[in-house]
Amino acid sequence: EAGVAQSPRYKIIEKRQSVAFWCNPISGHATLYWYQQILGQGPKLLIQFQNNGVVDDSQLPKDRFSAERLKGVDSTLKIQPAKLEDSAVYLCASRYNRGTNEKLFFGSGTQLSVL
Amino acid sequence: LAKTTQPISMDSYEGQEVNITCSHNNIATNDYITWYQQFPSQGPRFIIQGYKTKVTNEVASLFIPADRKSSTLSLPRVSLSDTAVYYCLVGDPSGYSTLTFGKGTMLLVSP
Repeated sequence: EAGVAQSPRYKIIEKRQSVAFWCNPISGHATLYWYQQILGQGPKLLIQFQNNGVVDDSQLPKDRFSAERLKGVDSTLKIQPAKLEDSAVYLCASRYNRGTNEKLFFGSGTQLSVL
Repeated sequence: LAKTTQPISMDSYEGQEVNITCSHNNIATNDYITWYQQFPSQGPRFIIQGYKTKVTNEVASLFIPADRKSSTLSLPRVSLSDTAVYYCLVGDPSGYSTLTFGKGTMLLVSP
């Protein structure tokens, strides 16, 4: 079974530039998450999709971050303009959820450095 | 959302059994307890999930007391490759639960 694919693996940009991350979840997984993980901390949920609808985006800084999941499959997360404090690993996850057996499958993440 | 509390770090030696306890005092009736493992430069990986009593798989065991206000992840005979951060999460798998990660427990296994 193919895992969650993310690209790029690394990205270095200057502050005020824009950047986009891409995620392809496991086939058939309806729920997709974007997490931000700052060095030394646990992943922080940015946004959760159920198919192509947003379930939770309460922690997404909407003045600069945006995300979409057209057609309920692939998703993109964009930052515009980037700030120094956005330097982090951005993780995409999709959920296997049948009855009471819930698992998140994570991609390897995109490491973003904002200079 | 049930908040979880774990030790920040733990040290062990190869071959020992490691028990990591997580507190979740306000766990809801429909919540399950799930543990994830994360290595550097990788996303978290599912280890084990349970609702009550004891669950065991090929990697670990999960002990949950009757009041469900805490849980203990048990790793038998750890090796150097078990050095990682371990996260305890609590959530309702039947709904659109928002899964919140805490800071996790950094386990360091030494020779």
